[in-house]
Amino acid sequence: EPEVTQTPSHQVTQMGQEVILRCVPISNHLYFYWYRQILGQKVEFLVSFYNNEISEKSEIFDDQFSVERPDGSNFTLKIRSTKLEDSAMYFCASSTLETQYFGPGTRLLVL
Amino acid sequence: GENVEQHPSTLSVQEGDSAVIKCTYSDSASNYFPWYKQELGKRPQLIIDIRSNVGEKKDQRIAVTLNKTAKHFSLHITETQPEDSAVYFCAVKINSGGYQKVTFGTGTKLQVIP
Repeated sequence: EPEVTQTPSHQVTQMGQEVILRCVPISNHLYFYWYRQILGQKVEFLVSFYNNEISEKSEIFDDQFSVERPDGSNFTLKIRSTKLEDSAMYFCASSTLETQYFGPGTRLLVL
Repeated sequence: GENVEQHPSTLSVQEGDSAVIKCTYSDSASNYFPWYKQELGKRPQLIIDIRSNVGEKKDQRIAVTLNKTAKHFSLHITETQPEDSAVYFCAVKINSGGYQKVTFGTGTKLQVIP
């Protein structure tokens, strides 16, 4: 069964550094998403992406964040200048129209 | 924006009993309502979903009911087993062409006591 994959599984970075989180969505899916989950809290929507552009973003997704689909398979989330409060699990997801399938997540720790 | 409330935040039941988790939402345009199970350190896994034109859906021991008028939906787990212990999240989605936004509830930690 096809799955969403994410790399790396863990990332430790210094405050102020840029990080890029990578995702490979399921191949026939059209919609792509990024979520974050701070430890012990709920899953928070960051952004959805469709037809090579952002279709919706939350108030969390400020100018420090960007997404890109650089080729036909990868979907990336870039955080330009990380802050301590960016420490969280970041999940990528993809869907056809409705059902979303989540990747295993990248645990980001900002020191 | 959409506001999703989920109750209770924690729930302990004896093995074999039923568990019910409830969510309310605010945006009447929402038309897709999935439930996810998340085990510690793992990704959310879809366990059941319901669309706005359906009132109830069942899959073995799991069922979901939707009341669109009242803007609430519930997850029912019958004959609970220890492996049902996890955090459960409801979610609310508006599917409208390119518009795709999902709002999650705050989660319910379910503990099934053997």
